[in-house]
Amino acid sequence: DAGITQSPRHKVTETGTPVTLRCHQTENHRYMYWYRQDPGHGLRLIHYSYGVKDTDKGEVSDGYSVSRSKTEDFLLTLESATSSQTSVYFCATAGGPPEQYFGPGTRLTVT
Amino acid sequence: SQQGEEDPQALSIQEGENATMNCSYKTSINNLQWYRQNSGRGLVHLILIRSNEREKHSGRLRVTLDTSKKSSSLLITASRAADTASYFCATVLSGAGSYQLTFGKGTKLSVIP
Repeated sequence: DAGITQSPRHKVTETGTPVTLRCHQTENHRYMYWYRQDPGHGLRLIHYSYGVKDTDKGEVSDGYSVSRSKTEDFLLTLESATSSQTSVYFCATAGGPPEQYFGPGTRLTVT
Repeated sequence: SQQGEEDPQALSIQEGENATMNCSYKTSINNLQWYRQNSGRGLVHLILIRSNEREKHSGRLRVTLDTSKKSSSLLITASRAADTASYFCATVLSGAGSYQLTFGKGTKLSVIP
């Protein structure tokens, strides 16, 4: 694994509460991504970053926000969690080459 | 919407046999990549093929790309039980910046010892 950690690895939260997931990388990669993985949907891009403070929306960005204040950290925030956001969330990074390196994932359950 | 679609959705073979998975996509691409995901883990990059390439090899992996049919195939030769995993194709669209990948839904491969 390319030095990518995600925290927490598992979280259970209640509907309506805010949740922040953290992705930390030690590879000094410029690009960072947040995906969600759901049965029957594969991986879908939520948001991505192409540099510090530079972020953009992906395919399924509604209900999510991101921030990147340092090269190594990319935060994903669910402002008010809903049951439809129960999923496994993956962070990924990319340096110069187009292939991406994935973190171990965070399993989020919203009750 | 999903750019890539893998076929079959699930595949079960005996150890030593070859496994072939297919991927179809809808729009022009810059490159196509294959990833493997073991149960409960993150994805691991396997191989990348660019739009101007037709075939690429890496160890027991062989990838082909037919841009006229907008399709790719991944062949794993002499499969092993350790190859049991889900396999995803992912495309980078032509002109897309930031190396954005669009993933298919995956093929779940089971290799029976």
